[in-house]
Amino acid sequence: DAGVTQSPTHLIKTRGQQVTLRCSPKSGHDTVSWYQQALGQGPQFIFQYYEEEERQRGNFPDRFSGHQYPNYSSELNVNALLLGDSALYLCASSRTGVRNQPQHFGDGTRLSIL
Amino acid sequence: AQTVTQSQPEMSVQEAETVTLSCTYDTSESDYYLFWYKQPPSRQMILVIRQEAYKQQNATENRFSVNFQKAAKSFSLKISDSQLGDAAMYFCAPGGGSQGNLIFGKGTKLSVKP
Repeated sequence: DAGVTQSPTHLIKTRGQQVTLRCSPKSGHDTVSWYQQALGQGPQFIFQYYEEEERQRGNFPDRFSGHQYPNYSSELNVNALLLGDSALYLCASSRTGVRNQPQHFGDGTRLSIL
Repeated sequence: AQTVTQSQPEMSVQEAETVTLSCTYDTSESDYYLFWYKQPPSRQMILVIRQEAYKQQNATENRFSVNFQKAAKSFSLKISDSQLGDAAMYFCAPGGGSQGNLIFGKGTKLSVKP
């Protein structure tokens, strides 16, 4: 039973560029959440996707956008990259409608902005 | 808005001893869950234990247990018989309810001495 998978593992970009990160949820899960974890900090919620729509959003600018596909996989897109976007980006999946369902996390994508 | 405070940036414990990590939170939700996640240097976020806020009985998972004080909004984690593999960052995260996302504290770095 595959868990949450994220790609790529590492990514280096320069300021102003655009990036796309990918996530495949755990089998049986239909909801995907994205988090940004800066060095030495706890993860911060970016947004959550369910039924191919953004269901919730944290305090992140419109430069951060996402998508969910019919197979529940998801993408996180970041435009006009800033140095402050350097972080570990974590994807988490869960199953909506199941009480007390914990989120399962992937290994993350380490994004470095030069 | 939900907030989480983990007042111990670092903790140290001797192998086989017991350690308690503290967490306080603030939420306006009436129905929510609480989680402790562990993040080793490999960076994957691993669920340690979960607690439903409406349950008075404290959750236990093998060597891990919580002390949940709902009125005080306190959710501490006790690790018994500490092992070298317990060394990691530990994050307290309330979530669920009407908000599906998790809110993370800044974490406590736990070191285990042989």
